[in-house]
Amino acid sequence: DSGVTQTPKHLITATGQRVTLRCSPRSGDLSVYWYQQSLDQGLQFLIQYYNGEERAKGNILERFSAQQFPDLHSELNLSSLELGDSALYFCASSQDGGGAFFGQGTRLTVV
Amino acid sequence: AQSVTQPDIHITVSEGASLELRCNYSYGATPYLFWYVQSPGQGLQLLLKYFSGDTLVQGIKGFEAEFKRSQSSFNLRKPSVHWSDAAEYFCAVVNTGTASKLTFGTGTRLQVTL
Repeated sequence: DSGVTQTPKHLITATGQRVTLRCSPRSGDLSVYWYQQSLDQGLQFLIQYYNGEERAKGNILERFSAQQFPDLHSELNLSSLELGDSALYFCASSQDGGGAFFGQGTRLTVV
Repeated sequence: AQSVTQPDIHITVSEGASLELRCNYSYGATPYLFWYVQSPGQGLQLLLKYFSGDTLVQGIKGFEAEFKRSQSSFNLRKPSVHWSDAAEYFCAVVNTGTASKLTFGTGTRLQVTL
């Protein structure tokens, strides 16, 4: 158990819909990262938050957004979903630079 | 920008045999390097990490990795593989600048035959 909790574990939704993925980081970790894993793209960094503020952005689509709340949990919002958005979405947390600990992921299926 | 290359997409070893998974990095300064393992349907588990100091680092589950600056490599090794080691292995490097995101290699899938 990494200490990082992601909900839900599985999500099936239709194209055009909006979903929210939730992440609770390890106790004491200020950094939260979101990654997308798909067969064709591998593990892609989406975005990082540090203590509530956006720190780095990767290959995140404009239809996607994230935020980190005062209690340090984070949410990833995916809107106007397309079939190609089907993937595993991972949250990870760290004390910044020490190696991130990953949650079990949310498997998103867009139909 | 930093990058990581894992030249082997798929490796098969017999149980009890030794294992070496290759990882080459591209980074201007001294990198922070990591190995992660992912079992099917699971998240990524941190096996070991290198920041500085001793170039041979020990990790969990009997794995070790050696940092070789001259070869820009950080290969993962295990002297005797168990069937439960079958999984996908990812090498990663951290940008030690303002952002500390991990950049992953494409992964090596390990199959263990009995």
